Amino acid sequence: GAVVSQHPSWVICKSGTSVKIECRSLDFQATTMFWYRQFPKQSLMLMATSNEGSKATYEQGVEKDKFLINHASLTLSTLTVTSAHPEDSSFYICSARTDVSSYKEQFFGPGTRLTVL
Amino acid sequence: KNQVEQSPQSLIILEGKNCTLQCNYTVSPFSNLRWYKQDTGRGPVSLTIMTFSENTKSNGRYTATLDADTKQSSLHITASQLSDSASYICVVSAAGANNLFFGTGTRLTVIP
Repeated sequence: GAVVSQHPSWVICKSGTSVKIECRSLDFQATTMFWYRQFPKQSLMLMATSNEGSKATYEQGVEKDKFLINHASLTLSTLTVTSAHPEDSSFYICSARTDVSSYKEQFFGPGTRLTVL
Repeated sequence: KNQVEQSPQSLIILEGKNCTLQCNYTVSPFSNLRWYKQDTGRGPVSLTIMTFSENTKSNGRYTATLDADTKQSSLHITASQLSDSASYICVVSAAGANNLFFGTGTRLTVIP
């Protein structure tokens, strides 16, 4: 089955630093990648949608200058949390979608736990 | 407004018992409905995907049903195991849209 990886799986950083999270589709080419944020006991909230080679589309309320998304290839997208603050601590999950299947199924990564001190 | 509601919020059952989780949605136009299992600290893993024309779909001990007329779905888990303890999320896709609409999930705990 389709596999999506994320790196790192967890990260702890000091307030004010930037953190980069990588998302890779390992065995398929992803036409679109999505970044989600999940707070404890809540559901996933879509942050942004990105297509390879074009600018990401951000959801309302998500600061594009704070959450930088680069979709460099059909198998790699990165999310950079710039000048991270404690309120950015969350579980970040990416997903990759292939349009090959009629369902346009999204495959989720294992998530990255970010803790900002 | 496109919404997905799940019930119950949480559920505790004894190992070996069956259980059924519910999902109601108002997403329109409807494309497909998915059930995901999310272990704590992990990303969601797909269990089933159903389109408008599919009433039921099974994946091992998991059986999902869909009533597109009443906009309801259920996920039935048979002979539960301790490893079934997780959050189960109902997700509905709207036709022609990028977005998925997520339910808040049902937290299932299976105890020995």
